[in-house]
Amino acid sequence: QKEVEQNSGPLSVPEGAIASLNCTYSDRGSQSFFWYRQYSGKSPELIMFIYSNGDKEDGRFTAQLNKASQYVSLLIRDSQPSDSATYLCAVTSGTYKYIFGTGTRLKVLA
Amino acid sequence: DGGITQSPKYLFRKEGQNVTLSCEQNLNHDAMYWYRQDPGQGLRLIYYSQIVNDFQKGDIAEGYSVSREKKESFPLTVTSAQKNPTAFYLCASSIGLARETQYFGPGTRLLVL
Repeated sequence: QKEVEQNSGPLSVPEGAIASLNCTYSDRGSQSFFWYRQYSGKSPELIMFIYSNGDKEDGRFTAQLNKASQYVSLLIRDSQPSDSATYLCAVTSGTYKYIFGTGTRLKVLA
Repeated sequence: DGGITQSPKYLFRKEGQNVTLSCEQNLNHDAMYWYRQDPGQGLRLIYYSQIVNDFQKGDIAEGYSVSREKKESFPLTVTSAQKNPTAFYLCASSIGLARETQYFGPGTRLLVL
C-alpha cells in the first residue's frame, strides 16, 4: 500500500514566523507533489505543486522536494492567523491516482 | 465561471436507503474522482473515471456505485450496503494524467438518520 505520512500536529507558530510542514512518501515512482490547504468544514484548495527536485517559491510559500529522500516540505513565511488550517500533502501514484496524507493542522497565534 | 459543483451540501440518509450525490464540472476535464474524508483522516479514493463510460474502483469502493455518461457529470450513489456512510464526500477533477493538479468541489456532508 502506497503511503504518505504527515505529522498530525497541531503545529503552533507565532504570527510572522516561518511554519515548516513536512511529508514523506513511500512510492519512489511518484512524479508530482501537491500541497493543499483545507479549512474546517471546507474542501481542499491548491497551494502549490512541485515536480522537480529543489525549491519552488510562490509568494510566501516555498515547496521543497527531495526525491532521493522521498521527502517534500512546505514553508510558509510571515505566517498569518488566516493561514491556520490543515495542510494536506498529496503525491501521484501510477497514471491516474493521487495519495493523500492525513494532514498537518497549523495554528498561527496572533 | 469554471469550476466543480456538488449537491446537495448536506444529505440525510435513512437506514436501507440509497442516496445519490451529484458532481458537475465545466472545466472540460477528462478525469473525475470521488473521495471520502472522515474526521482526522486523509482523503480515501472511492472511484475514479478517466474518460466517459469508463470508471475504476478505488481503495474503498464497496457499498458505492458511479456512472460517467457525460464528460461533465460523475454522480456517486451510496447504497444501503455501505454500513458506515457518515462522512464528507469530495468530488475532484483533473485534466487527465495524474501529473496534473486536481481541483475539488465544495463537498457533500452525508449524515445517517
